[in-house]
Amino acid sequence: GNSVTQMEGPVTLSEEAFLTINCTYTATGYPSLFWYVQYPGEGLQLLLKATKADDKGSNKGFEATYRKETTSFHLEKGSVQVSDSAVYFCALSDPPRTGNQFYFGTGTSLTVIP
Amino acid sequence: EAQVTQNPRYLITVTGKKLTVTCSQNMNHEYMSWYRQDPGLGLRQIYYSMNVEVTDKGDVPEGYKVSRKEKRNFPLILESPSPNQTSLYFCASRELAGNTIYFGEGSWLTVV
Repeated sequence: GNSVTQMEGPVTLSEEAFLTINCTYTATGYPSLFWYVQYPGEGLQLLLKATKADDKGSNKGFEATYRKETTSFHLEKGSVQVSDSAVYFCALSDPPRTGNQFYFGTGTSLTVIP
Repeated sequence: EAQVTQNPRYLITVTGKKLTVTCSQNMNHEYMSWYRQDPGLGLRQIYYSMNVEVTDKGDVPEGYKVSRKEKRNFPLILESPSPNQTSLYFCASRELAGNTIYFGEGSWLTVV
């Protein structure tokens, strides 16, 4: 079945450090891939997405590239800020014809210290 | 503004006392769902609904009920809450064939 595996946290970085959060997936067909972010006390918000192989999603300085050959969608940011402290969830969705269900990873907590 | 609104945001209740967490969305989405978030387990889907009067079990439906009498509302019902249902709950909605989910702000539920 479909599943998402992301690196376990928590991750603690100094401000301006480089961030990578690994995400790999298992899916049949051609899913869409997402990163959602959950700031303290809030619900999940879409951070970025990619709907086909080799697409790069980007937002707020974060990037992730849909790699079908390695079934990965790693999240990167070149220089993190304190305001990036949050929990990050990798997710995939089935194509509409197969039900369009979403599958989430377990989340990776990021803390950025000044 | 596009919103998914859930209430209450915080609740402490006792074992066995029925409670309902309401969820409402203003985007005319067909699909709505409930998740619970627990440390180390991420988000797990409880129930989902693809339209009015159409509901189905997710991964962890035991101890929960839902109803979908109107398109905008999707309440989560705990008929007899138990301590293992202490969790953070999220309601979410999207278009049926859409690939972006919109989440509510979450409801912290503690059962003692």
